Amino acid sequence: EMQVLESGGGLVQPGGSLRLSCEASGFTLISYHMAWVRQTPGKGLEWVSAIDKGADTTHYADSVRGRFIISRDESKKTLHLQLNSLRVDDTAVYYCVKVGNFNYDRWGRGTLVNVTS
Amino acid sequence: DIQLTQSPSSLSASVGDTVTIACRASQDVSSYLAWYQQKPGEAPYLLIYAASALPRGVPSRFSGRGFGTEFTLTISSLQPEDSATYYCQQLTNYPRATFGQGTRLEIK
Repeated sequence: EMQVLESGGGLVQPGGSLRLSCEASGFTLISYHMAWVRQTPGKGLEWVSAIDKGADTTHYADSVRGRFIISRDESKKTLHLQLNSLRVDDTAVYYCVKVGNFNYDRWGRGTLVNVTS
Repeated sequence: DIQLTQSPSSLSASVGDTVTIACRASQDVSSYLAWYQQKPGEAPYLLIYAASALPRGVPSRFSGRGFGTEFTLTISSLQPEDSATYYCQQLTNYPRATFGQGTRLEIK
């Protein structure tokens, strides 16, 4: 069964950094587009970043471009999201998502990032 | 960016009822629309893709219709476990997916 599992969230001060990880099982990570989506009570579900299958082409929402970095370690079957220069409005549950055919067909359980002073 | 507007924002229904949730896109998304179910404390779960296709394992009481800018999700023979928030999503301009604001369904 295809599954993804996030880790790495936590409490961090504004301006700080965190590295989220997403372990994939049941499928080959490089064979699929992968994405990060975040969710807050106020703004709902928001696409954050994506990495293309078979290549290292990366994409970012305007709100995180220049601060977040998505990467993939195929040998470890792990997707990462490096969060830098964190702001209070980055506080959210971050989901790792496997991208299917014009849909998101596998979601992790999410990891909470709480940016607060 | 393409905006998705769902209606209603919340609704309440009884076991056995049929409910319909609407999703309107600000631009033509063809049939590239998906629906997700999210229960409290859980991740969203893919219910419908390509406007009307059911992934394996999704009960047939869930159905989707629409094309272009107008879409609906219908749940028939409501069950207690259908209590959740439902979201529509478009992914026509990968990677920039957008979601509707959600519709909360309460089972009385």
